[in-house]
Amino acid sequence: NAGVTQTPKFRVLKTGQSMTLLCAQDMNHEYMYWYRQDPGMGLRLIHYSVGEGTTAKGEVPDGYNVSRLKKQNFLLGLESAAPSQTSVYFCASSSPWPSGSYEQYFGPGTRLTVT
Amino acid sequence: DQQVKQNSPSLSVQEGRISILNCDYTNSMFDYFLWYKKYPAEGPTFLISISSIKDKNEDGRFTVFLNKSAKHLSLHIVPSQPGDSAVYFCAALPGSNYKLTFGKGTLLTVNP
Repeated sequence: NAGVTQTPKFRVLKTGQSMTLLCAQDMNHEYMYWYRQDPGMGLRLIHYSVGEGTTAKGEVPDGYNVSRLKKQNFLLGLESAAPSQTSVYFCASSSPWPSGSYEQYFGPGTRLTVT
Repeated sequence: DQQVKQNSPSLSVQEGRISILNCDYTNSMFDYFLWYKKYPAEGPTFLISISSIKDKNEDGRFTVFLNKSAKHLSLHIVPSQPGDSAVYFCAALPGSNYKLTFGKGTLLTVNP
């Protein structure tokens, strides 16, 4: 099992450009999440999904859109990148059943720089 | 409003000694707590968790203690090893949903 994978690993964008980050998981998890990590800020939830075709806003959703067309994939889009979106982005997945665990499994991250 | 607080940005200990990382929370609806470890340029990895119905959970060198009345939990690592050097995040969620709230993390350095 590859677990949670993210592409790309690194990206540099100019202000105003758009891009999509791809997250894929092979654990058949129902729930998927996008976080951003900034220095001294911990991990903050951007958007999440509780199943195929469903998405919801997290703590810091502005400037981002997401889609979950397939259960194993969760896409994060930036329509018009801003320097404030320079960050490391992590995708995660989880499934509380049948294990009853709330553990989330994280991908390796995407480092995005917006100039 | 920060609901999960890790007030020590960093901690340095000697190899073989105990490391104690602390976490406080304010939301009384939280009833499940997790610790994650993160190495540079990698994603966080799950370390250990505890439910609010317990006050202690142990897994090898790692033990988590929960004091619900004080809204405080701590992670003990005994004995500490240089490979434990990483950022440790405390996270919490209410049992009614699946959204984790993370603390800002504590950088642990274990010196040989």
